[in-house]
Amino acid sequence: QQPVQSPQAVILREGEDAVINCSSSKALYSVHWYRQKHGEAPVFLMILLKGGEQKGHDKISASFNEKKQQSSLYLTASQLSYSGTYFCGTESVEAAGNKLTFGGGTRVLVKP
Amino acid sequence: DVKVTQSSRYLVKRTGEKVFLECVQDMDHENMFWYRQDPGLGLRLIYFSYDVKMKEKGDIPEGYSVSREKKERFSLILESASTNQTSMYLCASSPRLGIAGTDTQYFGPGTRLTVL
Repeated sequence: QQPVQSPQAVILREGEDAVINCSSSKALYSVHWYRQKHGEAPVFLMILLKGGEQKGHDKISASFNEKKQQSSLYLTASQLSYSGTYFCGTESVEAAGNKLTFGGGTRVLVKP
Repeated sequence: DVKVTQSSRYLVKRTGEKVFLECVQDMDHENMFWYRQDPGLGLRLIYFSYDVKMKEKGDIPEGYSVSREKKERFSLILESASTNQTSMYLCASSPRLGIAGTDTQYFGPGTRLTVL
């Protein structure tokens, strides 16, 4: 079953913050975040492994709460270049090291 | 830089035709994946392969098959294309089948397939 992402879409002004959530019904080993710009391939942002680790990529950071089986991606002081669709990919404990299951995506539009 | 290439960016086929989508990666990755991408549904895994001649079903394998005769090449086959297979198809590769977490996937640019 696919993880659920929320919101489905968000519009921001440059400099504003946003949070994207990813929830799974399965126990997770890791969560991966990717961003896809219009007409381009998805590009890896970061991996979070179980243990509640928080990671960052420029002003984009993420957290992983394994007990709640969810991850959140934080866009801080958003820039125009942050526009795109963000996908979480979850690696379940039962299929660890095997495959990712992606969510439906969150479309982010950052306006000047 | 890792490069994953797909044979076509756009493809138009007729219902019932046999369709081949080709994917090639140049980084000696063990794992290769085929996804389809539809609005609101994200990326759904069709098939993946962790070694030459090895394949495993993903979440939506019905109507598809795959072939991996060489490490760098992974083909997706639609035996008899149907209109509900109109979609964007993305290929990806990753360096290893990680025991301590699945490794980063590198995606190709995608093939937009339209079945009429």
